[in-house]
Formats: sequence, C-alpha cells, structure tokens
Amino acid sequence: QKEVEQDPGPLSVPEGAIVSLNCTYSNSAFQYFMWYRQYSRKGPELLMYTYSSGNKEDGRFTAQVDKSSKYISLFIRDSQPSDSATYLCAMSGASNTGKLIFGQGTTLQVKP
Amino acid sequence: GAGVSQSPRYKVAKRGQDVALRCDPISGHVSLFWYQQALGQGPEFLTYFQNEAQLDKSGLPSDRFFAERPEGSVSTLKIQRTQQEDSAVYLCASSLGGEGTQYFGPGTRLLVL
Repeated sequence: QKEVEQDPGPLSVPEGAIVSLNCTYSNSAFQYFMWYRQYSRKGPELLMYTYSSGNKEDGRFTAQVDKSSKYISLFIRDSQPSDSATYLCAMSGASNTGKLIFGQGTTLQVKP
Repeated sequence: GAGVSQSPRYKVAKRGQDVALRCDPISGHVSLFWYQQALGQGPEFLTYFQNEAQLDKSGLPSDRFFAERPEGSVSTLKIQRTQQEDSAVYLCASSLGGEGTQYFGPGTRLLVL
C-alpha cells in the first residue's frame, strides 16, 4: 500500500470542461499538500501549494484539502488543450527534511 | 533568473558502466533533493542535502548510488555498475529550505542497455 494513491487515468475531457483530480493518503502527519504539472519530457512545475486543510484558488485552479478524510483535490475550470499534461499530487511534513511523497500522477488530455 | 539545470539531459550506458549526473540548483538555495522517476510513475525521493551536508539518504536503492554536494552548491549523483533497473529519469530539485517550494530541473533520462 503506497502512502499516496492517485488514479493514473488517462482522463480525457472536451475543451471547456471542469476537471477534477484527486489523491488519498494514509499518513496523517502530512501537513503540506501540493499539485505539480508535468509536461512530457519536462520536470514537474508547481501549480498549487496548501498548508493543512482548506481551499485555495488561483485563476482557473482550485485546490482542496480535507485532512479528516485524508483526501485532496484539484479542480480545473474551463479546461484548455494546453492543460494536457500529467498532474502529480505531492505531500510533505511527515519528516523534518521537506522531502516530497508523490502520487503516481494522472494523465489528462483536453480535446479541442 | 536561471532555474535548476541538469546535465546531461540524456545518457545511455552499457550495463556495468558508472555514470555521473550533475545538478546546478538555483543560486542561494540551501536545500537540494534528488528523485527518481520510473516510466508512468511519480517521482520517488532518493536523497536530501542541506548545504553540503547529506542529511537523508534513505531513498537510495543500493550502495551503488552515491551523491555529493561538496561546496553546498552543485551536486552530483553517481551510479556505479549500472543495471537495467536503474533506467529512469533522475530529477533534481532545490528550495530555500525547510518546507519551502521545491523547484525541479528538467531531469536526466538514463537508459541502461
């Protein structure tokens, strides 16, 4: 059983759709929750960073953290073909080094 | 400013060869991390440096893997006697420290034949 579970997809949606991505985790010590976007043959790029429970919005992106359920989500509104990428959830705070524990990643394709 | 850079971007090695992968972090970043990303998987932690001190190497898969950051800036990940299962993308990330945002480089894609 992995510490962080994420459905790998692939997920295919039409342009303009609302996309919902999520991860579950088992370690209650995690305190920091992130979503990274990774294009093919590129390094991960940080999209959202959340501390503890709650919601955070940035443009078309909304991140939600529910620590009681050990569940995090990323919503993408008005999805664009340029959003086609792999989305990785990541968590930290269970150690004193800041190392990230990643989910497997969900591959998203937004069709024009 | 410049981001995290890694070299080489691609490396093909014959089984049994030694390889060295280089990471140039963002200037002034105290923390440096190495991750390994297998095809279709998320990155997995290998090791962590705070300045020149290697504080966590719990993710290194075997004693064939060795990392160093002698002057607290550039880091090198060395893999001795490479095996086919070492084929992966090796990512380097740096941060100002603590739980700060980690900025990733483009990765080195290693293929062991």
